[in-house]
Amino acid sequence: AQSVTQLDSQVPVFEEAPVELRCNYSSSVSVYLFWYVQYPNQGLQLLLKYLSGSTLVKGINGFEAEFNKSQTSFHLRKPSVHISDTAEYFCAVTDRDDKIIFGKGTRLHILP
Amino acid sequence: GAGVSQSPSNKVTEKGKDVELRCDPISGHTALYWYRQSLGQGLEFLIYFQGNSAPDKSGLPSDRFSAERTGGSVSTLTIQRTQQEDSAVYLCASSLASSGGFNEQFFGPGTRLTVL
Repeated sequence: AQSVTQLDSQVPVFEEAPVELRCNYSSSVSVYLFWYVQYPNQGLQLLLKYLSGSTLVKGINGFEAEFNKSQTSFHLRKPSVHISDTAEYFCAVTDRDDKIIFGKGTRLHILP
Repeated sequence: GAGVSQSPSNKVTEKGKDVELRCDPISGHTALYWYRQSLGQGLEFLIYFQGNSAPDKSGLPSDRFSAERTGGSVSTLTIQRTQQEDSAVYLCASSLASSGGFNEQFFGPGTRLTVL
């Protein structure tokens, strides 16, 4: 069975500082990995995805994530955050049966 | 074009009552999913419909929960004899048919259910 662990429920970071949101997964088969973002009072939208190929994936709004198979991780990074990045971020995994399993989410708080 | 829509946006009900939540997927999307988002629990998979196949109900938390999808389009999630722990945001998502690859799920705005 697949599972996703987001180690940090909340991450505070100063504006213009770098940020890393951690995600680890477990699966016995090849996986697809995703990060979704939920801005305040809005629905979820796809931030980026890893399907195959290059392990460094670039998404919208300057975010990127790196797939590390040996560490079963898919951490999300941004070199310089903005106040508009305040949101909840969800890591997710599927083993291609279309049922996506989500982590519990990480709330990113941008401090002025 | 129109995205996934859900109704009602908010629902307040009394413990023990039944509720129905509706999802209208994006036209042409054959896959439809229901999730539950509770504070501190993230997104919990409930049920998945794909075309005419039998739905994957493995995420439904109890037999009080059921879902239908009529005509391969609109879906209704029904919660019978609601309990306070059912209070959550219920999210619906849809995607194109899968052929072993990945099709992005598009999420609706959710229905916030409050059970008093």
